[in-house]
Amino acid sequence: GAVVSQHPSRVICKSGTSVKIECRSLDFQATTMFWYRQFPKQSLMLMATSNEGSKATYEQGVEKDKFLINHASLTLSTLTVTSAHPEDSSFYICSASPPEDEQFFGPGTRLTVL
Amino acid sequence: GQQLNQSPQSMFIQEGEDVSMNCTSSSIFNTWLWYKQEPGEGPVLLIALYKAGELTSNGRLTAQFGITRKDSFLNISASIPSDVGIYFCAGQPVSGTYKYIFGTGTRLKVLA
Repeated sequence: GAVVSQHPSRVICKSGTSVKIECRSLDFQATTMFWYRQFPKQSLMLMATSNEGSKATYEQGVEKDKFLINHASLTLSTLTVTSAHPEDSSFYICSASPPEDEQFFGPGTRLTVL
Repeated sequence: GQQLNQSPQSMFIQEGEDVSMNCTSSSIFNTWLWYKQEPGEGPVLLIALYKAGELTSNGRLTAQFGITRKDSFLNISASIPSDVGIYFCAGQPVSGTYKYIFGTGTRLKVLA
């Protein structure tokens, strides 16, 4: 299957700071990437769809000014959690799809906001 | 956000037993995917289904795309301890977008 990487795998930050998470497709180009959030013992909740060269599409209830998404190239999407607060602590996972293929997930980034 | 109904929520089984879990929806889906997630990691794709009625196997795993296109099941035969994890279904709605909706997950524990 296709390989998707995420960086960092784990980050701890102080409340009020911003954190950037990178998602890369390593062996294919992805015009669309997806960002999910997963709280402990819960399922994956789609936050937004990241589109290369255009604005991201956010799911209902997700603040676009708080979760900034940039899909600058066909292999890289970034999620920036701005002014992070403890309630933003979660497991953030990205996924990407080769054209006409299934979604492949990154290994996830665990964010802890103190 | 929208989620699929997945059951059971959790299962405790003896090693060697067969396992069955399913996902249902009120909506029609184009594609069903089954993933396994282990603690602290991203989901790993197990099986992909593209046509109603399709039955696909991957080793000891077998999954089917329901005829009505509103459900799917995953079977694991002769379970082993490393089958432990959370299994998620994901469906792609017939809405024209490329996003997937995830099931609530089935937590599997295998007792040796």
